[in-house]
Amino acid sequence: ILNVEQSPQSLHVQEGDSTNFTCSFPSSNFYALHWYRWETAKSPEALFVMTLNGDEKKKGRISATLNTKEGYSYLYIKGSQPEDSATYLCAYSNSGYALNFGKGTSLLVTP
Amino acid sequence: NAGVTQTPKFQVLKTGQSMTLQCAQDMNHEYMSWYRQDPGMGLRLIHYSVGAGITDQGEVPNGYNVSRSTTEDFPLRLLSAAPSQTSVYFCASSYSTVGGVANQPQHFGDGTRLSIL
Repeated sequence: ILNVEQSPQSLHVQEGDSTNFTCSFPSSNFYALHWYRWETAKSPEALFVMTLNGDEKKKGRISATLNTKEGYSYLYIKGSQPEDSATYLCAYSNSGYALNFGKGTSLLVTP
Repeated sequence: NAGVTQTPKFQVLKTGQSMTLQCAQDMNHEYMSWYRQDPGMGLRLIHYSVGAGITDQGEVPNGYNVSRSTTEDFPLRLLSAAPSQTSVYFCASSYSTVGGVANQPQHFGDGTRLSIL
């Protein structure tokens, strides 16, 4: 069992605020790091898959960075909107075939 | 645009009953997997398959059986349901590349909410 830690567990921000979350994972034998967005009553939806140290990915107002040497990834949301409210999951793989998910960061954005 | 389809969406069982959760995908994905989601826990991998005829155990395989006779379908069987198996079950699929699948985004079904009394 590979320990994937996400922090904070939950976050409440005002519309327009920028925010970020952390995903920590074992720094040895890295293969891939995923971020997913999970809205209530829906299924998780892939945001980013990152495989190289120093990777930076961006999709609209959401971006992610990866540091495999120290074992962490950051997810940033710029100018949060109420529709960004969701649980954000990260998942780590060291084998190429199995993903280990963190417990998620629950984000609430209020107008 | 079916994607990953899970049936049923909800099910209530009695302890000791058996049942099969169905998962089908229409994206020609080689890799399919089953997860369970419990309160306060991350998604935990039950079983996975890298292609027809090939399956392997994940983190929490006990009490579950799988088979993969076609690329499209990956059913999960509960052999003798126990209250500890009350959970939300998600099926996911992805393409496979040389060396693995974990560099591919996973596509999830909508989940099956299972209660065992």
